[in-house]
Amino acid sequence: AQTVTQSQPEMSVQEAETVTLSCTYDTSESDYYLFWYKQPPSRQMILVIRQEAYKQQNATENRFSVNFQKAAKSFSLKISDSQLGDAAMYFCAYRSALGAGSYQLTFGKGTKLSVIP
Amino acid sequence: GAVVSQHPSWVICKSGTSVKIECRSLDFQATTMFWYRQFPKQSLMLMATSNEGSKATYEQGVEKDKFLINHASLTLSTLTVTSAHPEDSSFYICSARGLLGYNEQFFGPGTRLTVL
Repeated sequence: AQTVTQSQPEMSVQEAETVTLSCTYDTSESDYYLFWYKQPPSRQMILVIRQEAYKQQNATENRFSVNFQKAAKSFSLKISDSQLGDAAMYFCAYRSALGAGSYQLTFGKGTKLSVIP
Repeated sequence: GAVVSQHPSWVICKSGTSVKIECRSLDFQATTMFWYRQFPKQSLMLMATSNEGSKATYEQGVEKDKFLINHASLTLSTLTVTSAHPEDSSFYICSARGLLGYNEQFFGPGTRLTVL
């Protein structure tokens, strides 16, 4: 079974600064997807960024980018120019690309990000 | 696009009663819907996966008779918590899988259940 580990329960960043959230995962599969989701105080899950394992290029979405290291099974999220609205729980998630169970997400325990004005 | 709604957003009920939570995909058809449970300050725990027109697949440790899931159409899945007890109090989130692109899961806003 796949596991996703987020080793930082809480982090804080100064507004306008950059922060990196860590995520490692364990899998024996070669084809999969990785995601970062944001859950603000409203509890609505919001997809931040997606990475396909077969792509070597790191995904980028505006101020959000990832550092995907497939061999190391590492998938960190970098938030640049942090804004107050970035304060939320961030969940790293894994999804297989193969088989009947390929639509299920496996979540890490989350990292609570605080943004200091 | 890709909006998922849940109703109600919060519910308070007495111990022993049953509560139904609806999950709807508003602008797309969802062959597969997922139900999660989230305790305070914890991650999402998958409870079950439901496919339209067939029985739900429950995760290990989830009581099928307590958490009844029905996925009667491509836009509606329901979770019924039967004979609810205080320990069933939690935040329940549904998601629906889109059929296009990356087969993303789109999440509903969640339902807070409090059992007195």
